[in-house]
Amino acid sequence: EDKVVQSPLSLVVHEGDTVTLNCSYEVTNFRSLLWYKQEKKAPTFLFMLTSSGIEKKSGRLSSILDKKELFSILNITATQTGDSAIYLCAVAPIRETSGSRLTFGEGTQLTVNP
Amino acid sequence: DAGVTQSPTHLIKTRGQQVTLRCSPKSGHDTVSWYQQALGQGPQFIFQYYEEEERQRGNFPDRFSGHQFPNYSSELNVNALLLGDSALYLCASSWASSSEKLFFGSGTQLSVL
Repeated sequence: EDKVVQSPLSLVVHEGDTVTLNCSYEVTNFRSLLWYKQEKKAPTFLFMLTSSGIEKKSGRLSSILDKKELFSILNITATQTGDSAIYLCAVAPIRETSGSRLTFGEGTQLTVNP
Repeated sequence: DAGVTQSPTHLIKTRGQQVTLRCSPKSGHDTVSWYQQALGQGPQFIFQYYEEEERQRGNFPDRFSGHQFPNYSSELNVNALLLGDSALYLCASSWASSSEKLFFGSGTQLSVL
């Protein structure tokens, strides 16, 4: 059974701080790892990392994938109050049958105080 | 460009009742997946529909069933509701059944009393 473990489960920082969120996984036939941001209800896509793309960056956010050690990190630099959200990590396996499904971790609740 | 839309946004039911949740995928997407997110937990995969057929199913009982229509919209039905079914139900769409890059709706918050 596929498994994703995120740490820490919650984090409180001040504006301007840099944070690192962790995600370790176990999955049969790894296809990709994804990061989502959930502010209220709808998770919004941040990054997808695959064997061919192990580092992604978008503005103040960046993510790397270590396929050997089976983990990923999400870095946020110069945090802002708008970064306050739950950050979800998920993995997708390669499957013989059609269809794709994600296994999510519990998420990290990030709170950025002014 | 309309994103994924779900209805209703909130729903209150009592134990034993049945409920139907609805989802319209993002324009251009043909695959719909449903996830259940309990409070404080990550989303859990229920099932996925593509070409009007259930393609994959997670570890949910037969009380959970679904349907996809020719216009790619989808319904999630839950029968004989239990207190433990209280959760946020998220619909996600993607292009092609093999795509793991999902776009989520805002969900339906179901409360079972």
